[in-house]
Amino acid sequence: ILNVEQSPQSLHVQEGDSTNFTCSFPSSNFYALHWYRWETAKSPEALFVMTLNGDEKKKGRISATLNTKEGYSYLYIKGSQPEDSATYLCAFNNQGGKLIFGQGTELSVKP
Amino acid sequence: DTAVSQTPKYLVTQMGNDKSIKCEQNLGHDTMYWYKQDSKKFLKIMFSYNNKELIINETVPNRFSPKSPDKAHLNLHINSLELGDSAVYFCASSPTSGGTGELFFGEGSRLTVL
Repeated sequence: ILNVEQSPQSLHVQEGDSTNFTCSFPSSNFYALHWYRWETAKSPEALFVMTLNGDEKKKGRISATLNTKEGYSYLYIKGSQPEDSATYLCAFNNQGGKLIFGQGTELSVKP
Repeated sequence: DTAVSQTPKYLVTQMGNDKSIKCEQNLGHDTMYWYKQDSKKFLKIMFSYNNKELIINETVPNRFSPKSPDKAHLNLHINSLELGDSAVYFCASSPTSGGTGELFFGEGSRLTVL
């Protein structure tokens, strides 16, 4: 059974704080790691797809790193804003073409 | 224009009925998926089609049957609905079938079985 675990499950920060959360996945047969942002009442939207060990990707104030040897990825948000409030999902692909999603980290940013 | 659209968004029905959820994407993608959001809010893959051919078929009851009339459409038909089928079902599409392309999700269809 392939498990993708995200921590923490929820996070409450103040506007302006920087924050990060973790996605852990099996380190064998790695193919790709995805991050999605899921706002309430909307559908998940892709942030990053990473395929290489050591990959670092950035989109505005959000960035992600990837360590395939130890099986983890970090998502960082610099200077959190209330509009960053959402659930952040990671998903792991082990070459089967099948994305296994974690349960998500629910981020709440208070003004 | 919505890239991936699902209909209906809400569906309330009785146990034992048969219902369908339709999905259409206008992104020109070859690969489409059905995901089920379970009670713990996990997104779990049910089916994947690449250019109208079934490529992923998870352990899903036979009552669930996907149909892809063309690569822009992937419909989900459910026979003999049970209480446990109540969930939100998400359709998604991707430019690749191998998992390196990002998924584009529809807004979800909330199915309630009474």
